[in-house]
Amino acid sequence: DTAVSQTPKYLVTQMGNDKSIKCEQNLGHDTMYWYKQDSKKFLKIMFSYNNKELIINETVPNRFSPKSPDKAHLNLHINSLELGDSAVYFCASSQVGVAGGGKTQYFGPGTRLTVL
Amino acid sequence: AQTVTQSQPEMSVQEAETVTLSCTYDTSESNYYLFWYKQPPSRQMILVIRQEAYKQQNATENRFSVNFQKAAKSFSLKISDSQLGDTAMYFCAFMKRATGNQFYFGTGTSLTVIP
Repeated sequence: DTAVSQTPKYLVTQMGNDKSIKCEQNLGHDTMYWYKQDSKKFLKIMFSYNNKELIINETVPNRFSPKSPDKAHLNLHINSLELGDSAVYFCASSQVGVAGGGKTQYFGPGTRLTVL
Repeated sequence: AQTVTQSQPEMSVQEAETVTLSCTYDTSESNYYLFWYKQPPSRQMILVIRQEAYKQQNATENRFSVNFQKAAKSFSLKISDSQLGDTAMYFCAFMKRATGNQFYFGTGTSLTVIP
């Protein structure tokens, strides 16, 4: 059974288009994340949702908009795609609970986005 | 802000040998967690090992162990009896014990196991 899944795994699109990446976790976790991995393999957090509430919102262009319809899903919508958006996007989840931090994050397989 | 440094961009090791990957971090936090993740060519991020900062005992998972030096802010990963399947990018990550569970990743070390 896939714990954290993302669709699509590959996405090739033209500059200026709008695209979405979907993420689902079946681990029962209460917190989900989006990370961006650039061409140099550097991983940086973009957003985090806890129980559908946005709790981390790093400095990313407002063309990126996360949406969490429920605890098990966190989608990433990107408007007006630019060349610099080409990267691998990872979804992750963890169970934070009321006690707070330190919980292992489980990652999805990643979505390789290529903007032409 | 927290920073995580992995000073070895690339390393190689002979199969069955032992290799150590270094990681240092900078923080003013006292409660935090450290992780090593592995990213093979398949791109999947896989947890290798984690360490709670309040525990003095070094974490161990089969062939993987860490040398956690809190005062020196050092968190190295030792891989014993290296196997071909260990070939991957290895990322060190820091998480402070606070709302959000934000990970700060190092820049990664690309490890190649040579047959």
